[in-house]
Amino acid sequence: DAGVTQSPTHLIKTRGQQVTLRCSPKSGHDTVSWYQQALGQGPQFIFQYYEEEERQRGNFPDRFSGHQFPNYSSELNVNALLLGDSALYLCASSGQTSYFNEQFFGPGTRLTVL
Amino acid sequence: TQLLEQSPQFLSIQEGENLTVYCNSSSVFSSLQWYRQEPGEGPVLLVTVVTGGEVKKLKRLTFQFGDARKDSSLHITAAQPGDTGLYLCAASGGSYIPTFGRGTSLIVHP
Repeated sequence: DAGVTQSPTHLIKTRGQQVTLRCSPKSGHDTVSWYQQALGQGPQFIFQYYEEEERQRGNFPDRFSGHQFPNYSSELNVNALLLGDSALYLCASSGQTSYFNEQFFGPGTRLTVL
Repeated sequence: TQLLEQSPQFLSIQEGENLTVYCNSSSVFSSLQWYRQEPGEGPVLLVTVVTGGEVKKLKRLTFQFGDARKDSSLHITAAQPGDTGLYLCAASGGSYIPTFGRGTSLIVHP
């Protein structure tokens, strides 16, 4: 049973560039959430996708956008990168059988903005 | 906005010691999860508690949900180096989205 997978594992970009991160949910899950985790902090919710639509969004600017595909995989796009966007980006999946909003996380993508 | 306060922020102990970490809020939650995260990895779910006063045990780890469902604790007995990691609590109120605390960073020295 494949868990949540993310790609790439590491990424280095410069300020002003754009980046796309990818996530495949755990088998049987249909909901994907994205989180940003800065060093020494807990994960901060960016947005959640369900049925190919953004269902809920956290306190992140419009530079952060996403997409969910019919196979439930998802992308996170960040435009006009800032130094402060450097973080671990986590994808988490859940499904109709998830017990009380339990999130199953991928290993994350480490983004460094120079 | 629900806010989860975790304490202590850092903990460095010797193998074999016992420890307790706390997760507190002024809000009532419908459920609360504990996760452990190792460096460079995503958080891994340890347990979910949903009933006030509930106690769950996972080998040497004991989790308790407060009677009022506003707080929780994680107790580790006879800590081992493999317990090293960031312990995160996450709680849900009425939305689909859990709020995470900042975590307790635990180091267990052999």
